[in-house]
Amino acid sequence: DGGITQSPKYLFRKEGQNVTLSCEQNLNHDAMYWYRQDPGQGLRLIYYSQIVNDFQKGDIAEGYSVSREKKESFPLTVTSAQKNPTAFYLCASNPTKNYGYTFGSGTRLTVV
Amino acid sequence: KQEVTQIPAALSVPEGENLVLNCSFTDSAIYNLQWFRQDPGKGLTSLLLIQSSQREQTSGRLNASLDKSSGRSTLYIAASQPGDSATYLCAVSSGNTPLVFGKGTRLSVIA
Repeated sequence: DGGITQSPKYLFRKEGQNVTLSCEQNLNHDAMYWYRQDPGQGLRLIYYSQIVNDFQKGDIAEGYSVSREKKESFPLTVTSAQKNPTAFYLCASNPTKNYGYTFGSGTRLTVV
Repeated sequence: KQEVTQIPAALSVPEGENLVLNCSFTDSAIYNLQWFRQDPGKGLTSLLLIQSSQREQTSGRLNASLDKSSGRSTLYIAASQPGDSATYLCAVSSGNTPLVFGKGTRLSVIA
């Protein structure tokens, strides 16, 4: 079955560490997205990529970095510069801008 | 900048009731609007996608309408069931910008 796989499901980060969240899709979608969700809040856009080797900042990109070396993969690195990284991170994809989004099951990141 | 608002923030209804969730957006120049369901601690499940040229979409007990000119969409759930309890999110796509989300409506259906 086609879909989006996010790993790990739970991730713990120590102060000052960088961590990388994985997002892989086998839907052959061109565009991929990273959103952050905080309790009681809607989703906020971190980064997105509409084509391989290209990506754009979203509304809250500070303290995050991404790469898009392969069509099926869009990893998100949470750097030590992100001061409040505890949140639920969701990855999504779609074929082009006129099509609906498919979401992964999310990664919950906690700072310890 | 597009802003999406969902009212009410939370809703509790007895089983069997029909209910309406509301979504409004500030910029009517949208490509499409998508309704999602989110269970606690889970990812988003797409329920309905309405293109800007469409007025409504239906799937089972769900019906979503779109009035682009007034910047409004509604999600109608018929004969609600306890299994419908979840958070419902509305999101719009406009121009070259990715989906912009509302904060959601948390629905509880009481048996």
